[in-house]
Amino acid sequence: AQSVTQLDSQVPVFEEAPVELRCNYSSSVSVYLFWYVQYPNQGLQLLLKYLSGSTLVESINGFEAEFNKSQTSFHLRKPSVHISDTAEYFCAVSDRGGKLIFGQGTTLQVKP
Amino acid sequence: EAGVAQSPRYKIIEKRQSVAFWCNPISGHATLYWYQQILGQGPKLLIQFQNNGVVDDSQLPKDRFSAERLKGVDSTLKIQPAKLEDSAVYLCASSLAASPSYNEQFFGPGTRLTVL
Repeated sequence: AQSVTQLDSQVPVFEEAPVELRCNYSSSVSVYLFWYVQYPNQGLQLLLKYLSGSTLVESINGFEAEFNKSQTSFHLRKPSVHISDTAEYFCAVSDRGGKLIFGQGTTLQVKP
Repeated sequence: EAGVAQSPRYKIIEKRQSVAFWCNPISGHATLYWYQQILGQGPKLLIQFQNNGVVDDSQLPKDRFSAERLKGVDSTLKIQPAKLEDSAVYLCASSLAASPSYNEQFFGPGTRLTVL
């Protein structure tokens, strides 16, 4: 069975500081990995995904995540956060059958 | 392109009452998902449809929850009777297909259910 663990429930950080949101997964098969973002009172939006190929994937708004198979991790990073990045972030895994298994979420709180 | 539509956005009911949620996926999307997101947790898949057939309903509490996708387009999720622990946001998502290659899931805004 697959599972996802997000190691931090809340991450407070000052604006323009770097941030890392940690995600570990367990699976006995090859998987796809995702980060979703949920802004207050909005639906889930795909932030970035790892399907195959390069282990470093990037989003259009400066986030990046690195797939580490040996450590079964897919941590999300941003070198300099903005107030607008305040949101809930979910790591998810899929076994290619479509079903997404989500972690419990990490609240990123960016302070001025 | 219109996104995934859900209604109602909010619903408050008393326990033991029944409730229904509606989802209209993106046009042409064959696969439809219903997820339950309890406060403080990540979404959990309840049921997955491929066209009008059920692919996975292993985590659907079938004694009280039911879902259908007649004609392979719109879908409804029903709870009867509701319990306090059903308070959650119910998310609908759709994708072009489920497998074997990757197809992005697009999520609707969700229906927030409060059971009193």
